Amino acid sequence: AQSVAQPEDQVNVAEGNPLTVKCTYSVSGNPYLFWYVQYPNRGLQFLLKYITGDNLVKGSYGFEAEFNKSQTSFHLKKPSALVSDSALYFCAVRVVDRGSTLGRLYFGRGTQLTVWP
Amino acid sequence: KAGVTQTPRYLIKTRGQQVTLSCSPISGHRSVSWYQQTPGQGLQFLFEYFSETQRNKGNFPGRFSGRQFSNSRSEMNVSTLELGDSALYLCASSVLTGTQETQYFGPGTRLLVL
Repeated sequence: AQSVAQPEDQVNVAEGNPLTVKCTYSVSGNPYLFWYVQYPNRGLQFLLKYITGDNLVKGSYGFEAEFNKSQTSFHLKKPSALVSDSALYFCAVRVVDRGSTLGRLYFGRGTQLTVWP
Repeated sequence: KAGVTQTPRYLIKTRGQQVTLSCSPISGHRSVSWYQQTPGQGLQFLFEYFSETQRNKGNFPGRFSGRQFSNSRSEMNVSTLELGDSALYLCASSVLTGTQETQYFGPGTRLLVL
């Protein structure tokens, strides 16, 4: 079965410090990995994705993520956190379902990031 | 370019009623997917439409249905509402369908069933 795990419900970091939001996945076949961010009462905003190629993916708002195939991880990182980065972050994987030529997004449970001044 | 729009943004219904939610994708996007977000279950896939055809379906009862029109706009219908249907319903669009495509989400419709 396809699954995504975000082992931390909450991450707290001081402004200016680096941040990491963790994500691990379990899929059959090649994973296509995504990070989204959700602000209160808003939909999900796309941050970045990994399809193939460089393991380090750069995305919006200074975020980047590192794909590690051996550890089946896709951690989200930012060198210097901002208070405005405080939000709910979702990792997602899209795989082809058995019997289908298409895929759906499987989401992690989300990690609440709080950046304090 | 305008983003994904969803109407209405908020909705209150009572048990047993039915509801229709609407989604207009980004211009030029032909694939529309629907997701349900609840605190208990997180984000769950409902279905995906492409070129007016349902291409993929999640594990939801038949009370949940949808359709897509020739202009790519999509509607989702929930009949015989239950309290557990209270959720944020998110629509996402992408240019094409396929595993590499990025889905862009709308703001959602928050449904409260009393």
